[in-house]
Amino acid sequence: SDELTQPPSVSVSPGQTARITCSGDALTKQYVYWYQQKTGQAPVLVIYKDTERPSGIPERFSGSSSGTRVTLTISGVQAADEADYYCQSTDSIGAYVKFGGGTKLTVL
Amino acid sequence: VELVESGGGSVHPGGSLRLSCAASGFTFSDYWMHWVRQGPGKGLEWVAHISLNGSNTFYAASVKGRFTISRDNAKNTVYLRLSSLRVEDTAVFYCARDLGTSGQIEDAFDIWGRGTMVTVSS
Repeated sequence: SDELTQPPSVSVSPGQTARITCSGDALTKQYVYWYQQKTGQAPVLVIYKDTERPSGIPERFSGSSSGTRVTLTISGVQAADEADYYCQSTDSIGAYVKFGGGTKLTVL
Repeated sequence: VELVESGGGSVHPGGSLRLSCAASGFTFSDYWMHWVRQGPGKGLEWVAHISLNGSNTFYAASVKGRFTISRDNAKNTVYLRLSSLRVEDTAVFYCARDLGTSGQIEDAFDIWGRGTMVTVSS
């Protein structure tokens, strides 16, 4: 399947590490990108090509990949990190853009 | 670097709208451009993309044949014509710049506009 599966929600306390996963069969062939979307705002790219961080994104955001699963890790979570996070890739032949269903990160 | 969408509004099922996205702060003609939408309380859905000179376009299956993406590089603007609108097309429509450089498409998005709301209701 070319669908991307994310957990609907993840909750962590401030200062802890949040890990958000994204699974899909196409991920062995295609890169994954991660977006942060705060309430009422446009998405922001936080990780590209599985592990790369755009300029201006804090170092506490990192990405990793293993087989059909990729993980967005946020170390030392802050209240400002509370948002919806979406993974994005393409289908196995690189034709259609696909988004995961999104994960709501709650900072307790 | 900025993208500003406009043209959203309320329309009846079967109606049409044209969305615009004005780009500034970068060489517009060097980038593929996309439209992405988000229904109320829902996730992101890619809609369409267009190549540097507008010669190549591609659409999500859900909108193919009803939506048309185009661009005017002289005006630094990308458009999305929406027709045969359905209630399920109700969404915020975002314009987004492709992450790829040197004319290559990467099918990822590094700059987003703030979006324009389209409401389809009888």
